[in-house]
Amino acid sequence: DAKTTQPTSMDCAEGRAANLPCNHSTISGNEYVYWYRQIHSQGPQYIIHGLKNNETNEMASLIITEDRKSSTLILPHATLRDTAVYYCIVRVAGDMRFGAGTRLTVKP
Amino acid sequence: GAVVSQHPSRVICKSGTSVKIECRSLDFQATTMFWYRQFPKKSLMLMATSNEGSKATYEQGVEKDKFLINHASLTLSTLTVTSAHPEDSSFYICSATQGLAYNEQFFGPGTRLTVL
Repeated sequence: DAKTTQPTSMDCAEGRAANLPCNHSTISGNEYVYWYRQIHSQGPQYIIHGLKNNETNEMASLIITEDRKSSTLILPHATLRDTAVYYCIVRVAGDMRFGAGTRLTVKP
Repeated sequence: GAVVSQHPSRVICKSGTSVKIECRSLDFQATTMFWYRQFPKKSLMLMATSNEGSKATYEQGVEKDKFLINHASLTLSTLTVTSAHPEDSSFYICSATQGLAYNEQFFGPGTRLTVL
């Protein structure tokens, strides 16, 4: 599976959009981009995934660049409860391999 | 979404004892289950992958005789930490996937193991 690069940490003001970037320059054509988050001392929570097209669900939007070498997870109106570590994972199938992720802190 | 539970959520045991952690998929049949370990302020590390009715596949560096995994049914997998020692203290998390392997994984809430 391709490796991903994410910023170590980010801050966001409550009520504003949180944009979390992820680089996956070695992604192959059949690899999906997944996003999970982990709130302190809990199991990871699935957020969204995509292959080529942009995706949106009730939690977030996923924007994948045309060359698929990077993506951005967008939380449209961040709340304090969105404070967590966000993981971007690229995979075809099978297990999830977690990197260090981005620690997002939403501030009042 | 699909729900995965773990039991117990927290366990404290003495050094040398064995501890069993259960992972259940509550509303779906899990073709594959995964076990992860997470140390404080670190990311999740995959320990092993198990398919129902077959032997688990362990990651390099994970002792299969120490971490016994049983996946006896499509809704239950167990991880037994044998002869636990303080260095085994960690947050253990299971996940399950339904159907095709590229489907999203659903994670349990985790089990905090403390070995005294």
